[in-house]
Amino acid sequence: DAGVIQSPRHEVTEMGQEVTLRCKLISGHNSLFWYRQTMMRGLELLIYFNNNVPIDDSGMPEDRFSAKMPNASFSTLKIQPSEPRDSAVYFCASSPLAGHTDTQYFGPGTRLTVL
Amino acid sequence: GEDVEQSLFLSVREGDSSVINCTYTDSSSTYLYWYKQEPGAGLQLLTYIFSNMDMKQDQRLTVLLNKKDKHLSLRIADTQTGDSAIYFCAERGNAGNMLTFGGGTRLMVKP
Repeated sequence: DAGVIQSPRHEVTEMGQEVTLRCKLISGHNSLFWYRQTMMRGLELLIYFNNNVPIDDSGMPEDRFSAKMPNASFSTLKIQPSEPRDSAVYFCASSPLAGHTDTQYFGPGTRLTVL
Repeated sequence: GEDVEQSLFLSVREGDSSVINCTYTDSSSTYLYWYKQEPGAGLQLLTYIFSNMDMKQDQRLTVLLNKKDKHLSLRIADTQTGDSAIYFCAERGNAGNMLTFGGGTRLMVKP
C-alpha cells in the first residue's frame, strides 16, 4: 500500500493567492484528518471527516479555510485568500473507522510558505 | 478540553536508555499512542497501549501506563542516533475517534 499521499509536497505562494492542498487516503480507510504543524503552536487538528461527513471543524482557523471530501478516497484543504501566518506544514491522516484502535496514518505533509 | 503534556527536550548518549514522559487529563482515554516524527516527515506510529494494560513491550520499546496518575512513558533501550526525532504521545477518548496529541518531545542522541 502506498500510504497516505499528499500533494504538493512544497508550495510557495504570495499573500492573497488561493492555495489547494490535496490528500489521498489509504484504500479502505474512511476517516480523514487535517492537521497543521508550526513551531509556535505544535500540531493542531483542523477538521476531520468520517465517511465523507465533517464531524468536527472547530479547529479550522477562520472562514478562509475550507475542506471537502468529493469522494471517499480524496480530500482537499483550501485557503482563500492565503496570509503569511498560514505558513506551516499541513498533514492529513487517515484511519479505518472500523478499526478498534483508531490508529491514524499520516501523510508526508505539505510545507506551505506564504510570502 | 482534554490536555496532553510532554517535556520539550531530552538528550541522551548513544547506548543509554531514553525515557520520554507524558501526562494526560482525560480519564476516559481508551487507547494511548506513541508516534515518532523524523525531520521532514509525517508522524509514524511506534506503538499503542490499551487503557486496561499497564505495560507493553515491543523490541527496544517499553510503554508504561499508570492510569491512576494518568501518566504514560516510553522507554527506548540502547538508544541509537537513528532514534533522534520528535516523539508525540496521543490519547483517544471515548467521544469520537479523534486523537489528542501532546506537544512532542525532541530526543537528541549524542554519539
